[in-house]
Amino acid sequence: ETGVTQTPRHLVMGMTNKKSLKCEQHLGHNAMYWYKQSAKKPLELMFVYSLEERVENNSVPSRFSPECPNSSHLFLHLHTLQPEDSALYLCASSQDLYSGGTEAFFGQGTRLTVV
Amino acid sequence: DQQVKQNSPSLSVQEGRISILNCDYTNSMFDYFLWYKKYPAEGPTFLISISSIKDKNEDGRFTVFLNKSAKHLSLHIVPSQPGDSAVYFCAASDGTYKYIFGTGTRLKVLA
Repeated sequence: ETGVTQTPRHLVMGMTNKKSLKCEQHLGHNAMYWYKQSAKKPLELMFVYSLEERVENNSVPSRFSPECPNSSHLFLHLHTLQPEDSALYLCASSQDLYSGGTEAFFGQGTRLTVV
Repeated sequence: DQQVKQNSPSLSVQEGRISILNCDYTNSMFDYFLWYKKYPAEGPTFLISISSIKDKNEDGRFTVFLNKSAKHLSLHIVPSQPGDSAVYFCAASDGTYKYIFGTGTRLKVLA
């Protein structure tokens, strides 16, 4: 399998549930990202990892907890979410981190609905 | 305040004609720009890029123009094809990984 793969594709969870989103990249990239896309809003950068080290936590509430066990895998652990957290969550990877010329490769996203 | 704006939420173009998608930005420190295309139920895919040292970059049917003085870039697709129907995002960076995305323009190419 190639590219960036996200699971699950769709997730419905209650506000008291705990769930995790998974992302895997098969591109040999060094950087991985979590983005959130809410309706009619731009993509918002949530977390950035470079070589398994977190380099960005963009004022994201603590109910979102990322984990990067190795350079190929990225998780987003979710707990006690709110209905306004319903959105498309996109994972991405790029070859290098600090390079303006580096484009990111995105996964297909997880459509999250919090009820 | 949005630093990258795509003021047209949607655009319809006849097949074979030119599609022009626009993007404006406010931060003069942005020096690298990307366009992504997104089909429904898929993640965005990289389309074309341009750095601030250029004012034009071409790749097949896709050309991106950059007007630094106006802080404006545009994506031209010619000729437009029905398969080009998608949402197009522009993104800008100041040389770091912190790309700022626009809200997207939905392009519909009519057969």
